[in-house]
Amino acid sequence: QVTLKESGPGMLQPSKTLSLTCSFSGFSLSTSGMVVSWIRQPSGKSLEWLAAIDWDGDKYYNPSLKSRLTVSKDTSNTQVFLKITSVDIADTATYYCARSAGLSYYFDYWGQGVMVTVSS
Amino acid sequence: DTVLTQSPALAVSPGERVTISCRASESVSTGMHWYQQKPGQQPKLLIYGASNLESGVPARFSGSGSGTDFTLTIDPVEADDTATYFCQQSWNDPYTFGAGTKLELK
Repeated sequence: QVTLKESGPGMLQPSKTLSLTCSFSGFSLSTSGMVVSWIRQPSGKSLEWLAAIDWDGDKYYNPSLKSRLTVSKDTSNTQVFLKITSVDIADTATYYCARSAGLSYYFDYWGQGVMVTVSS
Repeated sequence: DTVLTQSPALAVSPGERVTISCRASESVSTGMHWYQQKPGQQPKLLIYGASNLESGVPARFSGSGSGTDFTLTIDPVEADDTATYFCQQSWNDPYTFGAGTKLELK
């Protein structure tokens, strides 16, 4: 059974760095073709793909946010992390991690999401 | 970026057939996927590769299209299908989503 779960600070101040963790089970990120992505959704709005890391450790970023994003994974291949620097109010959203299997980059399993509010 | 355009909302009666469209600003081949999202929940994959039904998804859902024009069809619609439906393309970098179509039941 594949599950993913996001965790994060809930609220942080503008200009700080947001750190998110995606803990997953039911698959290994060391398996060829596996990819974990981060996707966010402001309340009432659409979805925005942010970043991804694949089984080989290759990293992919949305160019619009690339300078502020860092995606990484742990050595046990059971957690993926995302850091967003210099957050502002526009970064307020629910952040999801999601799995892709194979190279088609559709998301077959999603975490429940973690809501992050940027406020002073 | 590839912009995906969806109609904002639709209202149909249970038992009817509904088609939800998604138009891409450039070709995405068959790299188009559809998700259902209910309030307070994460998106759920329905269709991948334009026309492939995800395991466990009822056969009432189907997808078609290639290039720039895509359709998600629900036939027949049931009350539980009330949700927002998003298309997503994975052919061009970065991967993008449509704004969503909110489906309401009359």
